[in-house]
Amino acid sequence: ETGVTQSPTHLIKTRGQQVTLRCSSQSGHNTVSWYQQALGQGPQFIFQYYREEENGRGNFPPRFSGLQFPNYSSELNVNALELDDSALYLCASSFDPGTQETQYFGPGTRLLVL
Amino acid sequence: AQRVTQPEKLLSVFKGAPVELKCNYSYSGSPELFWYVQYSRQRLQLLLRHISRESIKGFTADLNKGETSFHLKKPFAQEEDSAMYYCALSGRSGGSNYKLTFGKGTLLTVNP
Repeated sequence: ETGVTQSPTHLIKTRGQQVTLRCSSQSGHNTVSWYQQALGQGPQFIFQYYREEENGRGNFPPRFSGLQFPNYSSELNVNALELDDSALYLCASSFDPGTQETQYFGPGTRLLVL
Repeated sequence: AQRVTQPEKLLSVFKGAPVELKCNYSYSGSPELFWYVQYSRQRLQLLLRHISRESIKGFTADLNKGETSFHLKKPFAQEEDSAMYYCALSGRSGGSNYKLTFGKGTLLTVNP
C-alpha cells in the first residue's frame, strides 16, 4: 500500500507569483482534501476533490484553486501569492467523502512567500 | 459552525506520570472525533478515533457529549510520547462531504 505523497517538499516564491503543489493519494483512495497549516496553528480546510470535481470548500478566496486527475492525484494552485500564504500545505486522502472516515495525510509542502 | 478547542498549548510531564490532553468541541450534528499526532520530523498521523474505541500506544479518549469533550489520556507517560497532538472533528462541509476541523494543538513533552 502506497501512502500519500506530496511535491515539492519546500518552495520559496515572491509576492504576486503563482504556485502549484502536487499530491498523490493513497492507493485505493479517490478523495483528496487540502489543508493549510500556518505556524502555531492547526491545519485549516481549504477544499476537497472527489471524482475530479470540487466537493466542498473552506473559507479561502478564489485565488486558491485545485484540480483532481483521473488517477485521483491532485493539484493545489495559488495565484497572486501574499505573504500570509506562507504555511505548510497538507493533502489528505480518503475513500468516501460522504462518511466520517479517517483521512491520511502526506508530509506536506512548506511554502515561503517573500 | 464547528469548532475544536485545545486549551493547553504546552504540556510538560515526567516519565511515568499520568497525562491528559484536553479537547472540547462545538458541533450541531453527530460528531466523529479524532486525535492525530505529529512526532518530530514526521507526518501527521492518526492516533485514535472515537468510533473505534481502541487503545493505541496506551492512549484512550472518551467522547462526553454532555460536556462536549474528547480528552486524551494515558496513565503512564513515556518519553517517546513527546509530540504535537491535534484533536479534530469530522463534520459536514456544507454539502454532502465531510471535512476535518482541527484544534491548535498541544505540544506534549515527557521529561526523563
